[in-house]
Amino acid sequence: GAGVSQSPSNKVTEKGKDVELRCDPISGHTALYWYRQSLGQGLEFLIYFQGNSAPDKSGLPSDRFSAERTGGSVSTLTIQRTQQEDSAVYLCASSPRTSGRRFGTDTQYFGPGTRLTVL
Amino acid sequence: AQTVTQSQPEMSVQEAETVTLSCTYDTSESDYYLFWYKQPPSRQMILVIRQEAYKQQNATENRFSVNFQKAAKSFSLKISDSQLGDAAMYFCAYRTLYSGGGADGLTFGKGTHLIIQP
Repeated sequence: GAGVSQSPSNKVTEKGKDVELRCDPISGHTALYWYRQSLGQGLEFLIYFQGNSAPDKSGLPSDRFSAERTGGSVSTLTIQRTQQEDSAVYLCASSPRTSGRRFGTDTQYFGPGTRLTVL
Repeated sequence: AQTVTQSQPEMSVQEAETVTLSCTYDTSESDYYLFWYKQPPSRQMILVIRQEAYKQQNATENRFSVNFQKAAKSFSLKISDSQLGDAAMYFCAYRTLYSGGGADGLTFGKGTHLIIQP
């Protein structure tokens, strides 16, 4: 089956504009993760969705960042009033993790990312 | 909070030779998972190998193997018979066993850029 897909592949925007980044996880995967990859900070975990549970937003860098996941599948990461420091590659990953406190050995499968450039 | 350190920003190896990438981590937990991911220029992160901390045996996947030293908190990746297709960024990553409190995501090192010379 298809892997994790993300759109757009590249996004150039002006400072102060809002952007939406989309992630389509692998069909049947209940867990979905967003990460940010930047030159200065490396790879950072942003947010995690598990099924229909409330997301773990503890990694979001500011209140300008938000994410939602509709119907337990597609997810959208929204950045409001973009700043130049938001320029980065935004990676999405999904895993087949079932509910429960212990992770088990589920693997995260990554998409190709969206490269965001804020001018 | 856990931290992962990769002290080699770049490594170079001749094709068909063996190379070892270093990774150390810091944690107060006794049980966790460790991973090596590969990121080629296409940007897509690909899992190379995974180690469960409670297993003493080092994980192996074909030409890839790890040297897991739990007491030293070290998790190095050995690539044997290096191939041109192995050229990529390699990231070491840590994950706790339990969910919640920001622990759900992977904690990554800064990465090592591996160059394969023909």
